[in-house]
Amino acid sequence: SQQGEEDPQALSIQEGENATMNCSYKTSINNLQWYRQNSGRGLVHLILIRSNEREKHSGRLRVTLDTSKKSSSLLITASRAADTASYFCATDAGADGLTFGKGTHLIIQP
Amino acid sequence: NAGVMQNPRHLVRRRGQEARLRCSPMKGHSHVYWYRQLPEEGLKFMVYLQKENIIDESGMPKERFSAEFPKEGPSILRIQQVVRGDSAAYFCASSQQGAYSYNSPLHFGNGTRLTVT
Repeated sequence: SQQGEEDPQALSIQEGENATMNCSYKTSINNLQWYRQNSGRGLVHLILIRSNEREKHSGRLRVTLDTSKKSSSLLITASRAADTASYFCATDAGADGLTFGKGTHLIIQP
Repeated sequence: NAGVMQNPRHLVRRRGQEARLRCSPMKGHSHVYWYRQLPEEGLKFMVYLQKENIIDESGMPKERFSAEFPKEGPSILRIQQVVRGDSAAYFCASSQQGAYSYNSPLHFGNGTRLTVT
């Protein structure tokens, strides 16, 4: 079953703009993680936010978590061409390991 | 400090052949996970292993697929009698802590792209 689902499926913005991606999930979680995947490569962990946290920052990344709405958002500020990638949220709910959504494909136009 | 190493990067098999995918976890990691990714899709969990033990194989197809993580050597994902539907990217990840604490992130390899002709 699909636990985390990202929205939008694809996003294209100009370099320097901010990019916001959302993730919704269905069941209670202990934590939620965001990963990035460049084309043809494995996933790279970006940030982990625990269920008792509401916001977390890492460099140009800002993640929020709203457990009442079962949603999270990833904000990338001052985007760069190198941020072009697919972004996935992952949750630890359920017995089937870490569950990933289908991802948001982000394109940063120079 | 090498990351998660997967080989081969690309593997082509004819229908009915066997595919063996190898994964060496990061140094110091004893937890290994296998995921499958279809084009434009997210990763689907297959199996979680510790050394010499399968902890959770709830995502593994019941037939033709098997995984092991021996005391010595890499983890192996084995697909017998491959079919075209097995064509996908297979990713291995490792972590320091166990899956169900999940306070440590997963470290992924670059995957093996299996093509069945």
